[in-house]
Amino acid sequence: RKEVEQDPGPFNVPEGATVAFNCTYSNSASQSFFWYRQDCRKEPKLLMSVYSSGNEDGRFTAQLNRASQYISLLIRDSKLSDSATYLCVVNGWNSGYSTLTFGKGTMLLVSP
Amino acid sequence: ETGVTQTPRHLVMGMTNKKSLKCEQHLGHNAMYWYKQSAKKPLELMFVYSLEERVENNSVPSRFSPECPNSSHLFLHLHTLQPEDSALYLCASSQTAPGTGNGYTFGSGTRLTVV
Repeated sequence: RKEVEQDPGPFNVPEGATVAFNCTYSNSASQSFFWYRQDCRKEPKLLMSVYSSGNEDGRFTAQLNRASQYISLLIRDSKLSDSATYLCVVNGWNSGYSTLTFGKGTMLLVSP
Repeated sequence: ETGVTQTPRHLVMGMTNKKSLKCEQHLGHNAMYWYKQSAKKPLELMFVYSLEERVENNSVPSRFSPECPNSSHLFLHLHTLQPEDSALYLCASSQTAPGTGNGYTFGSGTRLTVV
């Protein structure tokens, strides 16, 4: 089983649509979870952290289900500028330092 | 300068060349990382430095040689690379305080082409 697994997409949606991405992770000891956004030929940038209670940032909502080892990202009222690849990222601790394991990413294309 | 800066942005090198990638972070972080991103693959962790000490070498071939002279600077020395080493090389930094689980801040990356 891959460490972090995502549907690569692409997800093609019209402006204004609601879209959801899912991610599963294999390491039950993982402690921190993130969604990163990566634009074409650019570096990944932190979109939001994911907390057990679920969290929302404007149009973006992230959920974590530790029992199922499952993370989700919901984007409401999609904008053209949301077109990007969304990376599911899981953090683990080793000897006092953190490392991040990345999924391959899910590509989102928002069209007019 | 703020954040994490990487130079050069683009690099084309022959298989017999020697070159170095440079990364500098201005965030006061204690850990720095090199990642490789190839087409259609997830980011692959290459090296981790915590407080200037290498703490992980993720089975990377010896033609890649990291150097961390201080907590703000990280280098990746390259020699006798192969065409399959062509990729985007990303540097990142983070705080290491236990329990915070902070995410990383990435540099813009160096797009390397080996010819």
